[in-house]
Amino acid sequence: DVKVTQSSRYLVKRTGEKVFLECVQDMDHENMFWYRQDPGLGLRLIYFSYDVKMKEKGDIPEGYSVSREKKERFSLILESASTNQTSMYLCASTPAGQARGDGYTFGSGTRLTVV
Amino acid sequence: RKEVEQDPGPFNVPEGATVAFNCTYSNSASQSFFWYRQDCRKEPKLLMSVYSSGNEDGRFTAQLNRASQYISLLIRDSKLSDSATYLCVVNMWGNFNKFYFGSGTKLNVKP
Repeated sequence: DVKVTQSSRYLVKRTGEKVFLECVQDMDHENMFWYRQDPGLGLRLIYFSYDVKMKEKGDIPEGYSVSREKKERFSLILESASTNQTSMYLCASTPAGQARGDGYTFGSGTRLTVV
Repeated sequence: RKEVEQDPGPFNVPEGATVAFNCTYSNSASQSFFWYRQDCRKEPKLLMSVYSSGNEDGRFTAQLNRASQYISLLIRDSKLSDSATYLCVVNMWGNFNKFYFGSGTKLNVKP
């Protein structure tokens, strides 16, 4: 069974901490995405990557960075966590070419609380 | 204005009922449309794609109305297991990073 695995299901961090959220996929997908999901706002794209060492900003990149050193791994970094980054974070991947919505496979999510 | 809008619900219906909800999108250049299902505290999973001519998968029917810029999802003979949040997803062809998710419509099917 194909999988996108996020390293933590729940995280609690303090304001100002540097936070790493890890995502690994075993499907050999080229494209990987980080979203956050908040009540009433839906899923919003933070960053995505279409190849190793490549990254593109999504709609809300401020306060975040990403790293893609290996094809299977896409990390989201909160440089200095703030309370407004408390959210559910979802990683997704799709195969190369036109990334169609039906090709999305999501990880199970990381619920991050910043206190 | 949001790219994709959905009524958040909840829609509370008895088992066996037929329920429908819509999703409106703002960009007429949108090309691809999908419904995802998300269970409580779980990740979204693809329910079905939405084709121009409309499509059906068992008890689920999806429709696209380009003139009025909305998609719809109809669920017949609702089951308890249909209780979930339904997200619509809209994409513009050739701009693969731009998938817009609605905030979801919550459905509660009651015994």
